[in-house]
Amino acid sequence: SAVISQKPSRDICQRGTSLTIQCQVDSQVTMMFWYRQQPGQSLTLIATANQGSEATYESGFVIDKFPISRPNLTFSTLTVSNMSPEDSSIYLCSVRGAGESYTFGSGTRLTVV
Amino acid sequence: TQLLEQSPQFLSIQEGENLTVYCNSSSVFSSLQWYRQEPGEGPVLLVTVVTGGEVKKLKRLTFQFGDARKDSSLHITAAQPGDTGLYLCAGAGNSGGSNYKLTFGKGTLLTVNP
Repeated sequence: SAVISQKPSRDICQRGTSLTIQCQVDSQVTMMFWYRQQPGQSLTLIATANQGSEATYESGFVIDKFPISRPNLTFSTLTVSNMSPEDSSIYLCSVRGAGESYTFGSGTRLTVV
Repeated sequence: TQLLEQSPQFLSIQEGENLTVYCNSSSVFSSLQWYRQEPGEGPVLLVTVVTGGEVKKLKRLTFQFGDARKDSSLHITAAQPGDTGLYLCAGAGNSGGSNYKLTFGKGTLLTVNP
């Protein structure tokens, strides 16, 4: 299965600032996803990162707040913009491999103060 | 919206006991997956079940997919402290929805006490 390197692993940010999270995969993958996991909660899909076109966002998530880049088949970034304490969460990238297998990065633990 | 109801939400047991976690939905899924997540890590895939009625075993873990592909269960035999973690079920796709997006249950936080 693919190996994902996600960084930063954690950060503490001031409200009103932005943070960009990077996800690097060791092989080319078609499907790449970004999730949010709030404290003590399960995973919620933010968007599907599409290579060469705009990301597809889920209900409740918008591009202005969570802009996503996918310049190639091995890399993607998620930016959390104009942060507020409610954005404190774990953000995870994931890729879909063969046989409906999904691999997750280790996550970015974001705290907004 | 596809919903996966996972139960129980919390489970604290003694080493050596057996347990079952349930994942139920009113929707049919093309596949259902079980993950285990430890603090500070992303979810790690345990198993994918695809065929209705399918049973898969992974050492002391037994996974079952319902005949109608709407529900699944995870049974752990003789639990050990190393089994402690957050167990998540996730369904992939159904008719009318994307086959590639995962819908996650709320998770079961399992604590196995020595």
